[in-house]
Order: sequence, then C-alpha cells, then structure tokens
Amino acid sequence: DAGVIQSPRHEVTEMGQEVTLRCKPISGHNSLFWYRQTMMRGLELLIYFNNNVPIDDSGMPEDRFSAKMPNASFSTLKIQPSEPRDSAVYFCASSVAGSYEQYFGPGTRLTVT
Amino acid sequence: QKEVEQNSGPLSVPEGAIASLNCTYSDRGSQSFFWYRQYSGKSPELIMSIYSNGDKEDGRFTAQLNKASQYVSLLIRDSQPSDSATYLCAVNTASGGSYIPTFGRGTSLIVHP
Repeated sequence: DAGVIQSPRHEVTEMGQEVTLRCKPISGHNSLFWYRQTMMRGLELLIYFNNNVPIDDSGMPEDRFSAKMPNASFSTLKIQPSEPRDSAVYFCASSVAGSYEQYFGPGTRLTVT
Repeated sequence: QKEVEQNSGPLSVPEGAIASLNCTYSDRGSQSFFWYRQYSGKSPELIMSIYSNGDKEDGRFTAQLNKASQYVSLLIRDSQPSDSATYLCAVNTASGGSYIPTFGRGTSLIVHP
C-alpha cells in the first residue's frame, strides 16, 4: 500500500517567491496534519484537517502561510512570499480520525535563499 | 502553552542493554501518548501508542504510562545498533474544543557495538 506522498522532495527558491507543497494522504485516512521541523524548534504542528475541514491552525506562523484540502486525497501548503527563515523540512502526516496514530510522508526540504 | 519535555541526550548504551527514554507532559487532560522513531534525514515512524496507565509491550519495546505523574517512558530491550535514532514523544493536548498532537524535541539514542 502506498504511504503518504509528498511533492516535491526538495525545493530551493529565492526569497519572495511563492512555494506550494503538496500531500496525498493514505487512502481511508480522514485526518491530515502539516508539520515543520527545524533544529531550533523541533517538530511543530502547523495545521490539521478532519474530513477536509481545518480544525486547528494555531500553529500557522503568519498570514504568509495558507493550507487547503479540497478533497480527501489532496492537500497543499502554500507560502507566499517565502523568506529565508521558512527554510525547514515540511512533513505531511495522516491518520484515521480520532486515532492520532500518524503516518508521515517523506517530507519536503525547503531552502529559501 | 502545553509542553512535552524530553532529555535531548545523546543517550549512549552498549549493544544488548536496555535503553530507557523518558518524557513528561504538562496537560493533565491528555489521553493519548505516542512514541515515534526518526532516523537521521528520514521522517518520523510510529512505533508505540499507549492510552491507559501501566505497561504496553510490543516485541522489544515497552511503553509505560503514569498519568498521575504525567510521565511516559519507552524501554528498548536488547538494544541494537539499528535502534540508533532520535525518539520523539507525542502527546495529545487540549486546544480549544479539540486535541492536537504536541511533540517533544526528541532524545537521541546511540547504541554502540
């Protein structure tokens, strides 16, 4: 069975550019989570969805970040405009709603120069 | 601010020994507790979940939960060099009307031959 799929795996962009990260959760999972991981701050929850509805976005750092989940099999995290401090590994994870046993994708390593 | 605390380590143990990893949390209302393993450059992988006080065993892994002390631990018996990784503790903490997963910073484990 396919796990959580993320694309791209690596992204290098210049400050000010728009970045879009993509995630396909495991089929049948109806909770989806976006995380950011840095050495300084560890693994931080940005936002999570239940049944395509955003439940908690208190971790989204600022208005430059937005996330959508138009259907059960696809989600995006957008950063516009990007800044060097956004450089991190971004993970998407999914779970069956209510279980919180999360399965992580391989991550997207974002570098903003 | 709900917190999950772990000793960053590194915890160094000889092959064949028992590795003991500890985690404390601040939210008394937490109901779900998880341990994830993360190899360098890889994504977190769920290895144990525990929901009630006491011990839960799965192969060489034992998770222990003490809600009164707000303490959860992971024991790895017969440690192998392949167990060398960072172990992340995750706790579901109350946020508004829902629960969100909160991760500790992780403990680095080194198992030396």
